[in-house]
Amino acid sequence: GDSVTQMEGPVTLSEEAFLTINCTYTATGYPSLFWYVQYPGEGLQLLLKATKADDKGSNKGFEATYRKETTSFHLEKGSVQVSDSAVYFCALRDPGGFKTIFGAGTRLFVKA
Amino acid sequence: DGGITQSPKYLFRKEGQNVTLSCEQNLNHDAMYWYRQDPGQGLRLIYYSQIVNDFQKGDIAEGYSVSREKKESFPLTVTSAQKNPTAFYLCASSTQGYGYTFGSGTRLTVV
Repeated sequence: GDSVTQMEGPVTLSEEAFLTINCTYTATGYPSLFWYVQYPGEGLQLLLKATKADDKGSNKGFEATYRKETTSFHLEKGSVQVSDSAVYFCALRDPGGFKTIFGAGTRLFVKA
Repeated sequence: DGGITQSPKYLFRKEGQNVTLSCEQNLNHDAMYWYRQDPGQGLRLIYYSQIVNDFQKGDIAEGYSVSREKKESFPLTVTSAQKNPTAFYLCASSTQGYGYTFGSGTRLTVV
């Protein structure tokens, strides 16, 4: 079945460092791909999405490119801030489907 | 503003009690979902509903029940059959093919 694998955390960075969180997927069709962010004690928020190969999703300085050839959707940010400390979830959804498959989440700590 | 409202934010359950978690959305979304999140863990799907008066079991439905009598509402009941209910419960909604909108969650603790 479809699945999402993301790098284990926690990831600890200093402020203004470059961030990469790896995400790879397995799917039989052509899924839409998402990154969600969860701040402590809150629900998840949609951060960005991409619906087809080579699409780049971006929001709040975060970017991820849908790479079909490597089945990847890595999350990147050029300069992280303390306020980016959260748990990040990669997810996929089949087009026309109602269910989303989530990765296990990667916790990010950013030190001042 | 449109969104999803979960209540209560914190809930305490005694052994053998049933408790109901509320989830209401005003986004006009067709589909609604319930997830369970344990500390340091990912999300596990409990139940989901694509349309009113219809719902399907997710990966961990045992000990839980739901109803979908209105498009806006998808309450979750944690029954006494659920032996380890302490967790963070998240409700979400979506339109087909789009990302989810999540509520702010209910933290359930057994006392």
